[in-house]
Amino acid sequence: GAVVSQHPSRVICKSGTSVKIECRSLDFQATTMFWYRQFPKKSLMLMATSNEGSKATYEQGVEKDKFLINHASLTLSTLTVTSAHPEDSSFYICSARTGTITHPSTDTQYFGPGTRLTVL
Amino acid sequence: GDSVTQMEGPVTLSEEAFLTINCTYTATGYPSLFWYVQYPGEGLQLLLKATKADDKGSNKGFEATYRKETTSFHLEKGSVQVSDSAVYFCALSDRANFGNEKLTFGTGTRLTIIP
Repeated sequence: GAVVSQHPSRVICKSGTSVKIECRSLDFQATTMFWYRQFPKKSLMLMATSNEGSKATYEQGVEKDKFLINHASLTLSTLTVTSAHPEDSSFYICSARTGTITHPSTDTQYFGPGTRLTVL
Repeated sequence: GDSVTQMEGPVTLSEEAFLTINCTYTATGYPSLFWYVQYPGEGLQLLLKATKADDKGSNKGFEATYRKETTSFHLEKGSVQVSDSAVYFCALSDRANFGNEKLTFGTGTRLTIIP
């Protein structure tokens, strides 16, 4: 149980285009999803926290207009990198947590396999 | 703020050797502690967790004990295998922000096991 998928697993795009990454919880309802960015040989950097049906909360230094997050259902969150540039090339990872906002069943997050974005 | 410090890698061991990866933390509340593992080309997987002081998390032969007095959560395994080669991340979730817990990760330790 607790499987999280991401699509696509790998994407290459031209500078200036927008890219959408999907994150799905396959066998549970995820009231909260998180988006991370991982730089080569570095740790994960939390970009934003997304609660179903409400606006995402972005971490300091993350441009909300550049990284659009939508969490329209309990099983799907999307990250759109708008007007991508080479410096946006990275490994993007989502995670999902079960439970309700006021009563999370656990503080364990389940991670997707990640999406490798390369901007030419 | 919260932070996690884990030993720098990379770590290279021979098969069947004993493994220790050190992890210490600072947190304002009462954190839960985690070890995540990332195998080559894959996403992070939860390896083990502990939610309160003196708890021991264990899985796949790995163990870690939540030590509040030393603010540590060191990962150990008695006999490593080639298949354990991966990057290991120590993390904490500070439950002081109930309902809005976020994971804070260490920088990761790359482990390579030689046959």
